[in-house]
Amino acid sequence: DAGVTQSPTHLIKTRGQQVTLRCSPKSGHDTVSWYQQALGQGPQFIFQYYEEEERQRGNFPDRFSGHQFPNYSSELNVNALLLGDSALYLCASSFLTPPNTEAFFGQGTRLTVV
Amino acid sequence: AQKVTQAQTEISVVEKEDVTLDCVYETRDTTYYLFWYKQPPSGELVFLIRRNSFDEQNEISGRYSWNFQKSTSSFNFTITASQVVDSAVYFCALRRSGAGSYQLTFGKGTKLSVIP
Repeated sequence: DAGVTQSPTHLIKTRGQQVTLRCSPKSGHDTVSWYQQALGQGPQFIFQYYEEEERQRGNFPDRFSGHQFPNYSSELNVNALLLGDSALYLCASSFLTPPNTEAFFGQGTRLTVV
Repeated sequence: AQKVTQAQTEISVVEKEDVTLDCVYETRDTTYYLFWYKQPPSGELVFLIRRNSFDEQNEISGRYSWNFQKSTSSFNFTITASQVVDSAVYFCALRRSGAGSYQLTFGKGTKLSVIP
């Protein structure tokens, strides 16, 4: 049973460019969340998708957007990249219900903005 | 607002020593969930435990044990007889319990180094 998979594993982009990160959830999971983890910090919640809609959003600007596909996979898009967007981006999947379900994380995409 | 504080930034222990990782949280909710995750150098967050706020019974799983004290808003994690494979960053996290509340609020993590 494949866990959460993310691609690519590493990425280098130039300031001002746009980037798309991809996530395939654990088999059977219907909900995908994205987190940003800066070096030496804990993960920060970006947003969550369920039934192809953004259901909850953290304190991130509109430059961060996402999408969920009918097969539950998801993309995270970041426009107009800033140096401060350099971080590990983690995808987590879970069941929407029951509400006490735990989230399973992928290995992340390491984004470097130069 | 919710907040998780892990005051210990880094801890080093010699193999076979016991070590306790501290976690203190803040929330106005009466019901919530607490979690511990392990992050090895590979980057993936590995789920260790989930605790409901209404269940204050301590839990033991092999060399791991967790002490939840609602009165002091703490959820501490103890590793007994530490091993080199325990070296990682450990995160404590908090989540609201209501339907639709899936955001995890993480602490800054504690980096544990177990020296052979």
